[in-house]
Amino acid sequence: EIVLTQSPATLSLSPGERATLSCRASQSIRSYLAWYQQKSGQAPRLLIYDASNRATGIPARFSGSGSGTDFTLTISSLEPEDFAVYYCQQRSNWPSFGGGTRVEIK
Amino acid sequence: EVQLVESGGGWLQPGRSLRLSCVGSGFTFDDYAIHWVRQAPGKGLEWVSGITWGSANIAYADSVKGRFTTYRDNAKNSLYLQMDSLRPEDTALYYCARAKDGGLEDSLDYWGRGTLVTVSS
Repeated sequence: EIVLTQSPATLSLSPGERATLSCRASQSIRSYLAWYQQKSGQAPRLLIYDASNRATGIPARFSGSGSGTDFTLTISSLEPEDFAVYYCQQRSNWPSFGGGTRVEIK
Repeated sequence: EVQLVESGGGWLQPGRSLRLSCVGSGFTFDDYAIHWVRQAPGKGLEWVSGITWGSANIAYADSVKGRFTTYRDNAKNSLYLQMDSLRPEDTALYYCARAKDGGLEDSLDYWGRGTLVTVSS
């Protein structure tokens, strides 16, 4: 089983600041990593697939990087609507998710 | 517009059974693998099960293996999750989600709104 560990658990930032979220896999998953955003009361939304590809309609301020075991989601300048919980998910094997990072308003 | 709509959730006692349904529209349903993902109240996402387009491959999380059964009826654009021997720890919002490129090991590009299952005595 591939375990994904996200850090930090909570990120407190102000609008306009840069957010950097981390996801580490317990073994190499090549570039088979996705990122999702979930707002309160809503279903998750796919942001990034295969580590660095933005999904349809996702703004350019969201970017993903990494390969192997270490991955990063960067939000270049936080908009008010970006405060949410973010999950990573691997597809190297049956899907599994990280525990999430909450991005909250400072 | 791609849509997935879950139904069938409810409250029930431990040990009972329940069947969830997921109906897809706006896309060619039998071209895609579909997954079940759940989220316990206030917790993170947990993958539950996935099934390929033609049902040749079905996978389950260890936490539900032997108790849950996933199947689909492509003629009805429908996916099902038969949940037996339910436990309190199965309490969650259950989502169905489409595999982006159609395979079982995939990202999930469209999600339903979920159906809530509560298991409690």
